[in-house]
Amino acid sequence: GAGVSQSPSNKVTEKGKDVELRCDPISGHTALYWYRQSLGQGLEFLIYFQGNSAPDKSGLPSDRFSAERTGGSVSTLTIQRTQQEDSAVYLCASSPTRGGTQYFGPGTRLLVL
Amino acid sequence: GQQLNQSPQSMFIQEGEDVSMNCTSSSIFNTWLWYKQDPGEGPVLLIALYKAGELTSNGRLTAQFGITRKDSFLNISASIPSDVGIYFCAGQLITGNQFYFGTGTSLTVIP
Repeated sequence: GAGVSQSPSNKVTEKGKDVELRCDPISGHTALYWYRQSLGQGLEFLIYFQGNSAPDKSGLPSDRFSAERTGGSVSTLTIQRTQQEDSAVYLCASSPTRGGTQYFGPGTRLLVL
Repeated sequence: GQQLNQSPQSMFIQEGEDVSMNCTSSSIFNTWLWYKQDPGEGPVLLIALYKAGELTSNGRLTAQFGITRKDSFLNISASIPSDVGIYFCAGQLITGNQFYFGTGTSLTVIP
């Protein structure tokens, strides 16, 4: 079946603008994760959603970052007042169960000028 | 957050050679995953390990869950050019839901 999809695939924005990144998880997967990957680095955990439970926001780097997941499916990661250091690849992953194996989308490459 | 030490950071090998890489942690994990990431793509799951001592193969790839539960190894036999990419380990604590990722091993295969 279809894998995890993310949009847009690339986003260029000006410093100070807000951006929204979208993730469509694999159908039926209850868990959804957002990660940030800077150039040449590993994956930095941002936020985790599991079913209708309150999300684990412990990885969000500042209050400019927020995410929501509507209807237990699609998720949107919002970065307000973007800074140049926000430039990175933002990866979404979904899992069929809580704490289960994660399947990644292709990522959104964000460049803040 | 948790620190996963992945080594080596990069490898340059001749086609046909075997490759070994590993991940270590100061914490005990109950799950280890190995991913490969091609340029411009998201990581793709290669092997999942769920039990200490477990040895699992996927074609030319073999991974092991260390008996101390603090490390894992990935071996690639008879490397080919399409093995090029970045390999990441990921571990999950017994008490948590999230996975912690290593910093990756960049593999270059010279034909």
